[in-house]
Amino acid sequence: GAGVSQSPSNKVTEKGKDVELRCDPISGHTALYWYRQRLGQGLEFLIYFQGNSAPDKSGLPSDRFSAERTGESVSTLTIQRTQQEDSAVYLCASSLVGGGMSSGNTIYFGEGSWLTVV
Amino acid sequence: GQNIDQPTEMTATEGAIVQINCTYQTSGFNGLFWYQQHAGEAPTFLSYNVLDGLEEKGRFSSFLSRSKGYSYLLLKELQMKDSASYLCGTGANNLFFGTGTRLTVIP
Repeated sequence: GAGVSQSPSNKVTEKGKDVELRCDPISGHTALYWYRQRLGQGLEFLIYFQGNSAPDKSGLPSDRFSAERTGESVSTLTIQRTQQEDSAVYLCASSLVGGGMSSGNTIYFGEGSWLTVV
Repeated sequence: GQNIDQPTEMTATEGAIVQINCTYQTSGFNGLFWYQQHAGEAPTFLSYNVLDGLEEKGRFSSFLSRSKGYSYLLLKELQMKDSASYLCGTGANNLFFGTGTRLTVIP
């Protein structure tokens, strides 16, 4: 597609429920990234995919968080047994290739999925 | 590990010049990015530096000193629409960001 697409744009869930957040990267982009941004704060790196594999998942905050990517395209971030502290916007981004930032390998962000855990 | 520092908030006057500083210590480096993020919106790409020196792009310029682990974003002729958060990011295979600097432009 023309840009990074994320769904749902807004999600309100009850504490303890599982949620799935979806990301469609820019067509042809092989690298995909997930970030979390709490209200008024900076971007917290969660995980990075090159193709369908995740060379760096160091940012996942707990084993309740997992992500997968299939077909070198769509990615799903799953949060199990949600807690109120999980409330944040989850931003997905993609770049043409992985393995190195460069001027030709800019990261482009989606609009984010706003998650509220009540 | 990654350590990227920026001031949390800055205020500047419309028409003025403002410099937003960023210092970094990262385990890998493939350039430094600046992004702009308006409240409630996605970050958008502003600039990229991989070599030392100043890169100018219209009203915005970005500077890098790799030996000092230091960059700044310079905004000239400030406009009200420049009120936003400015994110400094760097890394090797992926981007890590600082907490962002929230800039408020006042009349």
